[in-house]
Amino acid sequence: AQKVTQAQTEISVVEKEDVTLDCVYETRDTTYYLFWYKQPPSGELVFLIRRNSFDEQNEISGRYSWNFQKSTSSFNFTITASQVVDSAVYFCALSEAGTGRRALTFGSGTRLQVQP
Amino acid sequence: KAGVTQTPRYLIKTRGQQVTLSCSPISGHRSVSWYQQTPGQGLQFLFEYFSETQRNKGNFPGRFSGRQFSNSRSEMNVSTLELGDSALYLCVSSLEQGARADTQYFGPGTRLTVL
Repeated sequence: AQKVTQAQTEISVVEKEDVTLDCVYETRDTTYYLFWYKQPPSGELVFLIRRNSFDEQNEISGRYSWNFQKSTSSFNFTITASQVVDSAVYFCALSEAGTGRRALTFGSGTRLQVQP
Repeated sequence: KAGVTQTPRYLIKTRGQQVTLSCSPISGHRSVSWYQQTPGQGLQFLFEYFSETQRNKGNFPGRFSGRQFSNSRSEMNVSTLELGDSALYLCVSSLEQGARADTQYFGPGTRLTVL
């Protein structure tokens, strides 16, 4: 069975600090997809990134960067120079593609509070 | 391009009643999934529809059902509501071309309160 663990329940930082959100996953499939979503106070989940299991290249998008390491089954997310607008709940999710399943298994989320 | 729309956005029902929630996916998207979000259980997969067929189902009782129409719009129904069904119900739309898992786009959700 697949599982996603986000051990950090809540993180509080001061604006301009860097912050890393951890995500550890478990799956038996060799083909799978990892996602990060942001859920601001408005409630709507916003897609941030998708990464497939064969692509271990790290990715950077503006202040956001992702570190995918298959050896440790981790897909961590770093926000550089955090801003108040980054305050939200962040979810890591896993989809096993090998069996044709599309269901996302979510972690419990990490609430990020960025203080001005 | 319009995003995923869900109606109604808020709903209050009483125990024992039934409810129908509606979702219109992004134009051209053929797959619609539903998730339930609660403070205790987090985000949990309910079911997925593709071309009017249920392709996948999560671990929920039979009181939860859904369907998809030929225009890809989807409805989910919960019968004999229980207090624990109070949640944010999220609809997800994806293109689904070929075998790869496409990005899934979430709607704003319907917040259901059961009294």
